[in-house]
Amino acid sequence: DAKTTQPNSMESNEEEPVHLPCNHSTISGTDYIHWYRQLPSQGPEYVIHGLTSNVNNRMASLAIAEDRKSSTLILHRATLRDAAVYYCILRRRSNDYKLSFGAGTTVTVRA
Amino acid sequence: NAGVTQTPKFQVLKTGQSMTLQCAQDMNHEYMSWYRQDPGMGLRLIHYSVGAGITDQGEVPNGYNVSRSTTEDFPLRLLSAAPSQTSVYFCASRGETWDGGYTFGSGTRLTVV
Repeated sequence: DAKTTQPNSMESNEEEPVHLPCNHSTISGTDYIHWYRQLPSQGPEYVIHGLTSNVNNRMASLAIAEDRKSSTLILHRATLRDAAVYYCILRRRSNDYKLSFGAGTTVTVRA
Repeated sequence: NAGVTQTPKFQVLKTGQSMTLQCAQDMNHEYMSWYRQDPGMGLRLIHYSVGAGITDQGEVPNGYNVSRSTTEDFPLRLLSAAPSQTSVYFCASRGETWDGGYTFGSGTRLTVV
């Protein structure tokens, strides 16, 4: 399975943007890029996903590099409620039953 | 509210005891799965189901059994608890739309002493 690489941690100030990078240099053409986040003492929560084009939703934006070997999750205005562990995950239709969670990026938001 | 409900939220077991972790969803989702999360680590898949009557093993299935008699419920059974099964357990489900996100429950924190 293709792997993802994320920084262990990032810090941000409240109301500032947060850019979370994810490297997936061995991604295949059929892999979708998904992001989940896990708030303290809660289960993971779906954030956003994309294949080739940039995507926006009410929670975040996903910017995908043209060669698809990396992507960036963008939180436009961080709030204290955005403090969580963010996971970048590749999903493939052929083995979709499994989400492969790595260690993720722990985001700290300073008031 | 629609979602994935897990019970109990907390449980302490003695080594060798058995128990069942309950998971129920009211979204008519076909796909359901169980994960465990150990401290400071990501989630690992235990078992999953693609529909009623169909289950399969994930990456860490030893010591756990599952069954899926209805679309709504997907219980996880520990037959003889061991300290190595101390963890937080999450149940997840998703619908038929392939690229939709999974919905996770809030977890069961299990301690085996």
